[in-house]
Amino acid sequence: NAGVTQTPKFQVLKTGQSMTLQCAQDMNHEYMSWYRQDPGMGLRLIHYSVGAGITDQGEVPNGYNVSRSTTEDFPLRLLSAAPSQTSVYFCASREGGIHEQYFGPGTRLTVT
Amino acid sequence: AQSVAQPEDQVNVAEGNPLTVKCTYSVSGNPYLFWYVQYPNRGLQFLLKYITGDNLVKGSYGFEAEFNKSQTSFHLKKPSALVSDSALYFCAVRDNTNAGKSTFGDGTTLTVKP
Repeated sequence: NAGVTQTPKFQVLKTGQSMTLQCAQDMNHEYMSWYRQDPGMGLRLIHYSVGAGITDQGEVPNGYNVSRSTTEDFPLRLLSAAPSQTSVYFCASREGGIHEQYFGPGTRLTVT
Repeated sequence: AQSVAQPEDQVNVAEGNPLTVKCTYSVSGNPYLFWYVQYPNRGLQFLLKYITGDNLVKGSYGFEAEFNKSQTSFHLKKPSALVSDSALYFCAVRDNTNAGKSTFGDGTTLTVKP
């Protein structure tokens, strides 16, 4: 199993540009989440999904959209990038029930 | 609302000494508690979890954690630290609703010196 994969690994955007961060998992996990990690602030939940076709907002959803058309994929869209969105983004998945999350390797995004 | 506090930004220990990384939590109902480790430029890796039962939980790489309900704490411990344990450690709490969203602490950087 590849586990959770994320692309790209690094990205530089100009303010106002849009892009999609890709996330895929091959473990048939129901639950998928997007987090952002900023220094000294831990991980903050952006959006999550409890299954294909079902998504909901997390703690910091503004400026981001998600969709979940398949069990495997959970892309994160930045609509109009802002410097405040400079961060490291992690995708995670887990089985239903009380199970741990599996994290992808992260995408380091810089918005200038 | 649930929350997690990791009161120490940094913990320094000498190799071979015991280590403790502290975590306290707040959640409605029964807590589901997790510890994750992050090595530089990597994603988080699961170490251990507490769901119910024995208050001492054993996990990967010789780590264990002690759940204390009265003190709402879930401290991570290891009897003898290794230099390779140096990393960023996160405590997380999950609510027991259907969605089961997790809240993470701000992280503690553990440095083990030879």
